[in-house]
Amino acid sequence: AQSVTQLDSQVPVFEEAPVELRCNYSSSVSVYLFWYVQYPNQGLQLLLKYLSGSTLVESINGFEAEFNKSQTSFHLRKPSVHISDTAEYFCAVSVGYQKVTFGTGTKLQVIP
Amino acid sequence: GAVVSQHPSRVICKSGTSVKIECRSLDFQATTMFWYRQFPKKSLMLMATSNEGSKATYEQGVEKDKFLINHASLTLSTLTVTSAHPEDSSFYICSARPTLRQRSSRAGTNTGELFFGEGSRLTVL
Repeated sequence: AQSVTQLDSQVPVFEEAPVELRCNYSSSVSVYLFWYVQYPNQGLQLLLKYLSGSTLVESINGFEAEFNKSQTSFHLRKPSVHISDTAEYFCAVSVGYQKVTFGTGTKLQVIP
Repeated sequence: GAVVSQHPSRVICKSGTSVKIECRSLDFQATTMFWYRQFPKKSLMLMATSNEGSKATYEQGVEKDKFLINHASLTLSTLTVTSAHPEDSSFYICSARPTLRQRSSRAGTNTGELFFGEGSRLTVL
């Protein structure tokens, strides 16, 4: 079975500063990797995903994540955060089309 | 992207009553839908996998008789919390995965991607 670890439960960062949200996974087979974002009292929205091919994936709002197979990581980064990025971010993994396993989430708090 | 709608978004009920939450895929068909429960400061806990036309598959520790799931059509799954108690208060989120035959015809849905509803916050008094 696969699992996901998000070590940081909260990450405070000043506006316009860079940020990295860490995600590590474990699986004995190839996986699909996802980052979802959840704004208060809302459902989850897909931010970006890695399926195959280029190990660096980007979202439309400036986030990027890099799949590192040797380190079994899929950290999320943004070079300059905005207040509107304040939300909770979930890393997730699935094996093919099987059920998705989520990490415990990281709350990103952008400080003005 | 594909849209999944949940209703109601918020519900308050008295202890002992039953509450039904609907999850609809608005522009695609979903053979499989998933129901999650989200606790404060914790991750999403998968409760059950809802399969159209057959019984739901429940995760270990989830009471089948407490959380009734019905997947009556390819666009609708319902979760009924029966005889609700304050400890059932939570944020319930559904997700849907487009069926295989649609995956190749819609950009962004040919990867088994999950689409999430907006969530339903249940408060039991």
